[in-house]
Amino acid sequence: DIQMTQSPSTLSASLGDRVTITCRASQSISNWLAWYQQKPGKAPKKLIYKASGLELGVPPRFRGSGSGTEFTLTIDGLQPDDVATYFCQQFYSYPGNFGPGTTVEI
Amino acid sequence: DVQLLESGGGLVKPGGSLRLSCAASGFTFKTYAMSWVRRAPGRGLEWVSSISGSSPRTYYADSVQGRFTISRDNSQNTLYLHMTNLRADDSAIYYCAKEGNYGDYDYWGRGTLVTVSS
Repeated sequence: DIQMTQSPSTLSASLGDRVTITCRASQSISNWLAWYQQKPGKAPKKLIYKASGLELGVPPRFRGSGSGTEFTLTIDGLQPDDVATYFCQQFYSYPGNFGPGTTVEI
Repeated sequence: DVQLLESGGGLVKPGGSLRLSCAASGFTFKTYAMSWVRRAPGRGLEWVSSISGSSPRTYYADSVQGRFTISRDNSQNTLYLHMTNLRADDSAIYYCAKEGNYGDYDYWGRGTLVTVSS
């Protein structure tokens, strides 16, 4: 199975900051990576598809990049509504393992 | 609009069984693979099981293989997860998720809570 890691596990930032979360795969997954946001008590919501595609309706301050084994999710200008846990997921091969998550706090 | 509505969660004793359901609407259900994903308290998302759209192929996480069975009724637009021999570490919120065009999950239900405790 492909293993996914994320860093940091928790991130504390100020409103308006640029925030960067890193996701690494144990082997190359090309660009078969998605990012999800999960707020407390809510279902996960897809933000980014195929590493850098912005899901319809997601604010453009969210930006995904990377390919191969290293990927980043950047939030340009952190907003109060962005407090959540962020997960990456590879779907290069079954099972589509998730990263352990990064909790963003303000 | 796509909607996924899970039900069937609850409190069950270790070794017990439970069947989760996910009622789908707003898309051609039989066309898409569906999955169950869970999140235990203090833990991250864990893929549990997936089933293809038609002539279904099924896939399971090692942690549930042999204990859980995923199935679907395309005539009723419903996804199921039959869970047996439940353990404390199966306690989690279980989400039903629709596979998108790229193999990721484009829609999720709100989840149903399963608690395994004596």
